[in-house]
Amino acid sequence: SQTIHQWPATLVQPVGSPLSLECTVEGTSNPNLYWYRQAAGRGLQLLFYSVGIGQISSEVPQNLSASRPQDRQFILSSKKLLLSDSGFYLCAWTSGASGANVLTFGAGSRLTVL
Amino acid sequence: SQQGEEDPQALSIQEGENATMNCSYKTSINNLQWYRQNSGRGLVHLILIRSNEREKHSGRLRVTLDTSKKSSSLLITASRAADTASYFCAGPGNTPLVFGKGTRLSVIA
Repeated sequence: SQTIHQWPATLVQPVGSPLSLECTVEGTSNPNLYWYRQAAGRGLQLLFYSVGIGQISSEVPQNLSASRPQDRQFILSSKKLLLSDSGFYLCAWTSGASGANVLTFGAGSRLTVL
Repeated sequence: SQQGEEDPQALSIQEGENATMNCSYKTSINNLQWYRQNSGRGLVHLILIRSNEREKHSGRLRVTLDTSKKSSSLLITASRAADTASYFCAGPGNTPLVFGKGTRLSVIA
């Protein structure tokens, strides 16, 4: 069966520090991978998605970046965090094959920037 | 851009009552999906309705879709305290999914 792992679960970082959130999927190959952010009271915002290794699409211009160094690994990074980067970050995957694209989410990473 | 907008933003009901949440969307869809999020957790897929379907059932869930009005509704019958969560609609069905802000449902025992 497929599983998705996301870490760390919680993170408290000072403004200007770097960030690295990691997401891995097991039990499938060539998944489509996604990073969403959920800020308080603002719903779910799509940040990045990837349909293959090294292929990253950015939905929102900001100081975050994403990378996909391996087929089932998706990393969200920042060189210098801003206060506005605080939020709940969710990684998700769908099958890369054509279909209904039902998302399976990780447990989330809560980031607080102070 | 927001694909779906849920209404109401918050809903509080007594256990045993039915809960209805609505979703309006802007562009054409292949399918529309509903997800649930318990506090502090990731979202969980509930049900998917295709653009050529008008109604779909899954246990205590009933989803309707009106493509002419670009709207969908999620009905939870005989609600339980465990149904307390936020509910989101998402579309358009091909990658990537875009979510609304959700409806916060509180079921009071």
